[in-house]
Amino acid sequence: DGGITQSPKYLFRKEGQNVTLSCEQNLNHDAMYWYRQDPGQGLRLIYYSQIVNDFQKGDIAEGYSVSREKKESFPLTVTSAQKNPTAFYLCASSIGDEAGQPQHFGDGTRLSIL
Amino acid sequence: AQSVAQPEDQVNVAEGNPLTVKCTYSVSGNPYLFWYVQYPNRGLQFLLKYITGDNLVKGSYGFEAEFNKSQTSFHLKKPSALVSDSALYFCAVREWFTLTFGKGTMLLVSP
Repeated sequence: DGGITQSPKYLFRKEGQNVTLSCEQNLNHDAMYWYRQDPGQGLRLIYYSQIVNDFQKGDIAEGYSVSREKKESFPLTVTSAQKNPTAFYLCASSIGDEAGQPQHFGDGTRLSIL
Repeated sequence: AQSVAQPEDQVNVAEGNPLTVKCTYSVSGNPYLFWYVQYPNRGLQFLLKYITGDNLVKGSYGFEAEFNKSQTSFHLKKPSALVSDSALYFCAVREWFTLTFGKGTMLLVSP
């Protein structure tokens, strides 16, 4: 079955530590996205990538970094500069950048501070 | 900049009754509108979209949405609610490369 796999499902971060969230898709989608979800705030875009080796900042990129070395993979690093990292992180992908294409989501990673 | 408003944090309906979850939007160009549903600790699932054409859009699980350009609205509807429809619903609008989401509406369907 094609889909988006996010791992781990739960992650704990210590103070001053960087952590990396994995996102892999086998849908052959060109575009990939990272969102942060906080209760009552909907989803906010962190970074997105339209093609391999290229990515753009979203609305809340500070304290986060990404890479897109392979079409299938779009890992997100939450750095120690992100002072409030506790949230539910969702990865998504879409066939391309055409506005009418829906995004497909993984099942998320819940990040908490120890 | 594009924006989406979901005016109700929560909607309560009884099973078998019709349901409506409201959404209004603001974009400078043509709107591309989407509805997604989220179950606890899961990702978002795509329900339906409006790109162009018929103002009444049909989607998954018996849901439909009505696009109203003059009122800039895209309300989600279902003729007969099920308890299993209880979930968090998001409206989203896409103008350029990214989606902007509303804050979500929790739908609770009571038996």
